[in-house]
Amino acid sequence: QVQLVQSGAEVRKPGASVKVSCKASGYTFTDYYIHWVRQAPGQGLEWMGWINPKSGDRNYVQKFQGWVTMTRDTSISTAYMDLSRLRSDDTAVYYCAREGCSGGSCFLDVWGQGTTVTDSS
Amino acid sequence: SSELTQDPAVSVALGQTVRITCQGDSLRTYYASWYQQRPGQAPLLVIYGKNNRPSGIPDRFSGSRSRNTASLTITGAQAEDEADYYCTSRDTSGNRLYVFGTGTKVTVL
Repeated sequence: QVQLVQSGAEVRKPGASVKVSCKASGYTFTDYYIHWVRQAPGQGLEWMGWINPKSGDRNYVQKFQGWVTMTRDTSISTAYMDLSRLRSDDTAVYYCAREGCSGGSCFLDVWGQGTTVTDSS
Repeated sequence: SSELTQDPAVSVALGQTVRITCQGDSLRTYYASWYQQRPGQAPLLVIYGKNNRPSGIPDRFSGSRSRNTASLTITGAQAEDEADYYCTSRDTSGNRLYVFGTGTKVTVL
């Protein structure tokens, strides 16, 4: 079945970086954009940006420009989200999601299970 | 960038109907999609486009739009519908970015 499986929980010190992976299966990886969304404890969902697995093009929400990097490895159908210079308020669950489109509308139709990134301080 | 505003919380009696709204300028151009998130779980797409349900989503969930407001209606709410609900749409910047609504906590009494 179509699914996205993310890497396990991470604990990091402030100032460190973290790299979360998102492995796709059950569909052609390069046919769908991958988006990243995060959710701080007790808070709402926050969009971070996307990567086009076919071309490698990416776009980030302005807030994250300069400290998030989204990449992919098409040989293993995996997308990555690298967040550098972590701060305590980066503690959150990070989700990857596939963007589907139909009838002129686009939406996030498949989600990973989430990866918890926690500040160790 | 756009903003999408939702009521923080609503409650509904078991078997009754509840409507959740989402307001924002981007909704004049783009349809909203709606996501259900139960505690400790990833979001789940429940409505997209004009009024489309993914496979497996019960037909008690429906969507609509009027001017700058999108709505998600649950007709005959069940206990398992108690969750947070988020709307989202494309951002008006044109960069294929999205914006999430502030979220609505639905309590089934």
